[in-house]
Amino acid sequence: KQEVTQIPAALSVPEGENLVLNCSFTDSAIYNLQWFRQDPGKGLTSLLLIQSSQREQTSGRLNASLDKSSGRSTLYIAASQPGDSATYLCAVKGSGGSSGSARQLTFGSGTQLTVLP
Amino acid sequence: ETGVTQTPRHLVMGMTNKKSLKCEQHLGHNAMYWYKQSAKKPLELMFVYSLEERVENNSVPSRFSPECPNSSHLFLHLHTLQPEDSALYLCASSQGTGSGEQYFGPGTRLTVT
Repeated sequence: KQEVTQIPAALSVPEGENLVLNCSFTDSAIYNLQWFRQDPGKGLTSLLLIQSSQREQTSGRLNASLDKSSGRSTLYIAASQPGDSATYLCAVKGSGGSSGSARQLTFGSGTQLTVLP
Repeated sequence: ETGVTQTPRHLVMGMTNKKSLKCEQHLGHNAMYWYKQSAKKPLELMFVYSLEERVENNSVPSRFSPECPNSSHLFLHLHTLQPEDSALYLCASSQGTGSGEQYFGPGTRLTVT
């Protein structure tokens, strides 16, 4: 059974710092990995999706890397801003399952980020 | 309306009530999902519908009953819930259940009293 772990559970940094959020998963047979942002009491916003054949994806100040063999992904946020404060979730889609079976997303518990002005 | 919408946004219900959560997607997708997010726990997948057929049911108690009348709408019917069912219920959609990126709605905050 796939397990996804995110470290740290909470992180507080001053504005302008570069930071790295970590995600690890136990089963390397994945289809893709997705990073989401969740604001308090709100739904999820997809930030980046990395297919299993890719090593990284970039969007603006965000860069996500994937090392499938070691079961790790990182989300790098450059020049952090107070508006980046949110919970960041990592989710892995498994590649297993018989024909017609959905490939499920398994989520980590998230990293709660606070960027101080 | 764009993206994935959910109604109501907040719901308080007693254990003997019957209520329904509604999800609608305006993205032309053909797969829809229900997730449960409890405090301090990871999101848990409840149900998956693909082409209006249920393809996953992750051991969810029968007091939760999903319905997908067409590819744009998904319901979660609730009856005789327990206080531990209080959570944020999130709906998502995607194009197919394989490589398709999932897009999430804002969620319904459910409180069972």
